[in-house]
Amino acid sequence: QAVLTQPSSLSASPGAPASLTCTLRSGINVGPYKIYWYQQKPGSPPQYLLRYKSDSDKQQGSGVPSRFSGSKDASANAGILLISGLQSEDEADYYCMIWHNSAVVFGGGTKLTVL
Amino acid sequence: EVKVVESGGGLVQPGGSLRLSCAASGFTVSTNYMNWVRQVPGRGLEWVSIMYSGGSTYYADSVQGRFTISRDHSKNTVFLHMNSLRAEDTAVYFCVRDIGGDFDFWGQGTLVTVSS
Repeated sequence: QAVLTQPSSLSASPGAPASLTCTLRSGINVGPYKIYWYQQKPGSPPQYLLRYKSDSDKQQGSGVPSRFSGSKDASANAGILLISGLQSEDEADYYCMIWHNSAVVFGGGTKLTVL
Repeated sequence: EVKVVESGGGLVQPGGSLRLSCAASGFTVSTNYMNWVRQVPGRGLEWVSIMYSGGSTYYADSVQGRFTISRDHSKNTVFLHMNSLRAEDTAVYFCVRDIGGDFDFWGQGTLVTVSS
């Protein structure tokens, strides 16, 4: 089982919210982890969006709109990227990341379609 | 302006070697954490290696013992020395600045193709 699991795809309408999940493997508790989120558009390198550990320990990337935010769902053992007010330019691949056992782990990515 | 530019990619035969370079500007590599991340075209991201400002290094299990990360302070450049290359090492390799865990600046990447 992968350390981080993301849905492979998600579709949502312009103006609607989108919630992207990043589930940690059973046995790895999301609580202590900082969850990092990256956006990648075709032909471009990933871009840093934000980091979220708790409401008192979070960081927004430079120039990243406030409609991108992070949270956690402890009951689901998951990190969440919430995008409010979807825009067509938000269509991209989104990756979550954690530091685990002195190594970086990426989720498999979610392809977000805005239709 | 912060910038990182990778170079050195290309076609190499299985078992061969290659050295990737990451030239930085707008900041000093030796006082930052620097990573290499790779991506098979059309697939997801895979972390490869990190060099901390203090000089310690870590590697993904998939490259441990075959890849070595290093830096040259005078050239403000980070390197990835890749030996015993395999077909599964074929990917775009990104150089990434790491600010306390935040991968905040990514280069455009350089493509490595391992094939006979």
